[in-house]
Amino acid sequence: GAGVSQSPSNKVTEKGKDVELRCDPISGHTALYWYRQSLGQGLEFLIYFQGNSAPDKSGLPSDRFSAERTGGSVSTLTIQRTQQEDSAVYLCASSLIGGIGKNIQYFGAGTRLSVL
Amino acid sequence: AQKITQTQPGMFVQEKEAVTLDCTYDTSDQSYGLFWYKQPSSGEMIFLIYQGSYDEQNATEGRYSLNFQKARKSANLVISASQLGDSAMYFCAMREVLSGGSYIPTFGRGTSLIVHP
Repeated sequence: GAGVSQSPSNKVTEKGKDVELRCDPISGHTALYWYRQSLGQGLEFLIYFQGNSAPDKSGLPSDRFSAERTGGSVSTLTIQRTQQEDSAVYLCASSLIGGIGKNIQYFGAGTRLSVL
Repeated sequence: AQKITQTQPGMFVQEKEAVTLDCTYDTSDQSYGLFWYKQPSSGEMIFLIYQGSYDEQNATEGRYSLNFQKARKSANLVISASQLGDSAMYFCAMREVLSGGSYIPTFGRGTSLIVHP
């Protein structure tokens, strides 16, 4: 597709269950970012992939969160043993390259996660 | 300390008038980039405008312009001739070199803009 695609668009789960969120970046984009946006808040950085380099995981809030990027393209964010405070919109973005400069991030529509 | 400060949680403007959304930033780097994004109720973040720290002229993109005052560390977004479709959340963001050498953009909390007919 032409843009960043995220699935599912909505996910309702029970506390304690694991969830997987998918991001399909724009073809050819080497940089991929995951953010979390809680209601009425800005974007909280979670993890960043750049090409074949080791990901920057400095924003992951706990060891229940993990992410991988296969073949330099599709990424999956996994949340294990979900908690109610994990409820948020999870946004994925990609850019042509990482680094400083006008490397515009293109965002997906997000996955709204609700943990009951 | 917050890297990006947006002091206006909500703004109202009359259709066809101009509006300024404030953004101040904090960095000790000489090389950095500033971005503005729009997030309508649909949720998708839309890139509006970019200003590099070494750019001498203020960035402009159609009805959007960035009032960049480097010494004051401010990067205000000016929307001219507001339209009803401009009603959305607006986020200011900065990309700088972080201590680990990465370039993760930092976002402000956003300003909600409502355009009245």
